[in-house]
This record gives sequence, C-alpha cells and structure tokens, in this order.
Amino acid sequence: SQELEQSPQSLIVQEGKNLTINCTSSKTLYGLYWYKQKYGEGLIFLMMLQKGGEEKSHEKITAKLDEKKQQSSLHITASQPSHAGIYLCGADWAGSQGNLIFGKGTKLSVKP
Amino acid sequence: ETGVTQTPRHLVMGMTNKKSLKCEQHLGHNAMYWYKQSAKKPLELMFVYNFKEQTENNSVPSRFSPECPNSSHLFLHLHTLQPEDSALYLCASSQVAGTGNTIYFGEGSWLTVV
Repeated sequence: SQELEQSPQSLIVQEGKNLTINCTSSKTLYGLYWYKQKYGEGLIFLMMLQKGGEEKSHEKITAKLDEKKQQSSLHITASQPSHAGIYLCGADWAGSQGNLIFGKGTKLSVKP
Repeated sequence: ETGVTQTPRHLVMGMTNKKSLKCEQHLGHNAMYWYKQSAKKPLELMFVYNFKEQTENNSVPSRFSPECPNSSHLFLHLHTLQPEDSALYLCASSQVAGTGNTIYFGEGSWLTVV
C-alpha cells in the first residue's frame, strides 16, 4: 500500500475560492516537503515542515504539519489561475537518509 | 531558474541507441540525484551521489548508467532502452545528502524511446 497518500487526486476550483490539499504518511515524518509542478516541467520547492504543529506561509499558500507529524495540509487562499499545477508532497522519514518519497500529486485547476 | 540545468529538454531515441542526459547545478551543492517520473506513478528516486560518491542505487536496471565527475555535474548514460523507459527524468541537488536538506529540481528531460 502507498506509504504517502495525497488527496484529492484532482481539484477544480473557481478563481477566488479557497482550497485544501492533504498529505498523509503511514509513519512519523522527520520532514515534509511541498512542491509545485507545472505539467512536463520541474518541481518548484514551496515549503518544508519539520516540527509537530508547525505552520508556514508563502504569499497565499499556507502549509501545516499536525502534532503527530503524520499529516500535512496545504491551503490556498483566494486561488488564482497562477496557482494551477500539480502539488506534490515529499516525505523525509527517519532512516531514509534524506531521500524523499513522493505522493502521487494533486492536480489543481483554477477556473477564471 | 532553479539553479539546476538539464540538457537536452527533449530526447527521442531508438532502442539500440546510446545517449546521455546532462545535469549541472550552480548552487554550490554537494549532493545530486536522478529521479524518474512516469505517467500515473509517483516520482521515483533512481540514484544519489554525495560528494561524487554514489550512495544510492534504487534497483535501477543497468541500461541506466550514472556518472558524477564532480559535485556540479551529473550524467545519466542511456543504452538499449525499452519503450517503457519513456518518462520525464529529473535531476536535483541538495547541500548534502541527508535528512533535513531541501532538494532542488531541474526542469527535467523528456525521454521518448521508440
């Protein structure tokens, strides 16, 4: 079974609406990374979370890591067409030597 | 511009060809990675180099041969590939390989095997 689950797989929202993407790990995380990818291109680093309960923001995107360090959410406020893309979470588990394991991604479309 | 440059961006090769993908990082990092991204599958780690030494080979077939001549350059040599090897190949780098080091990706090389 998948050790890192992302939900939803895809999401279509109207411009200006808020949305949340979730990433759930089967084991305790050392770190959780969020990336954004436009189709066929590289991954752009967004944020990294390490501490239980930690929350970080960049422009209109906020990411949180739960206290148990097994679940993270990415929240976008007042979505814009520029937010469209594939959002990937990457897990850094103890013993993984920093080699990230990625979820399958969430494809976000924003309707103008 | 992420500081990690990959060439070529697109490559079409026959199953009997030999070609190479090139990656260069301008971030002063010491670790470099190859990842493979296929349709409908999660990103898969292939190889890790830390200070030019290979530290991870994730059961990759021998038709993929990595080379890391220095900490700034990474190659992926390809020979006798199969059509199922068609994918986006992503190079990445980090300060060092290890927990807590953010990994930065290049734009990727699209490989089509015919």
